[in-house]
Amino acid sequence: AQSVTQPDIHITVSEGASLELRCNYSYGATPYLFWYVQSPGQGLQLLLKYFSGDTLVQGIKGFEAEFKRSQSSFNLRKPSVHWSDAAEYFCAATGTYKYIFGTGTRLKVLA
Amino acid sequence: GAVVSQHPSWVICKSGTSVKIECRSLDFQATTMFWYRQFPKQSLMLMATSNEGSKATYEQGVEKDKFLINHASLTLSTLTVTSAHPEDSSFYICSASDRTGGLMNTEAFFGQGTRLTVV
Repeated sequence: AQSVTQPDIHITVSEGASLELRCNYSYGATPYLFWYVQSPGQGLQLLLKYFSGDTLVQGIKGFEAEFKRSQSSFNLRKPSVHWSDAAEYFCAATGTYKYIFGTGTRLKVLA
Repeated sequence: GAVVSQHPSWVICKSGTSVKIECRSLDFQATTMFWYRQFPKQSLMLMATSNEGSKATYEQGVEKDKFLINHASLTLSTLTVTSAHPEDSSFYICSASDRTGGLMNTEAFFGQGTRLTVV
């Protein structure tokens, strides 16, 4: 069955520290992959996406993600976290039309 | 990027009444629209997929008579929660995509969500 797994439910980092959010997928073929951020009570904002090509993808707000086919992973990274990055992050995959979302990782940033 | 507008952003209704939520694609033709439900601190669960001019396809466990979806035009889909009850209180999010270009257009764009509270 197709699935997206985000192993970390909560992550806490200090402001200025680096961040990595993990995402693993299980699909019959390589899906299109996305990372979204959601602030409380808000909709989803697309951070970045991977369709094909360069496996290191740059996104908005200083985020990047690396697609690793051998590990079925698409981890999100940021070199220096800002307090405004505190939010819920969702990894998602789609192969044809249906998006499958991970369970989300809630990021807390310490001042 | 493409813009999807969802209205209202929040609504409170009495138990037993019906509530309609609109999802509009503002600058592209949405051949396919999706409706999700999100419980507090949980992920998005797909409720149904609708293609313009066709009946919606509901996910397993979603009551089609309770959650009426209409996708009558290429820019508008509506979700009507009929005879709402407190357990229907949730965050509903729509997304839309233009699939006329083939698989490379599988990206979907999300509305800002609607917080429904049934009292």
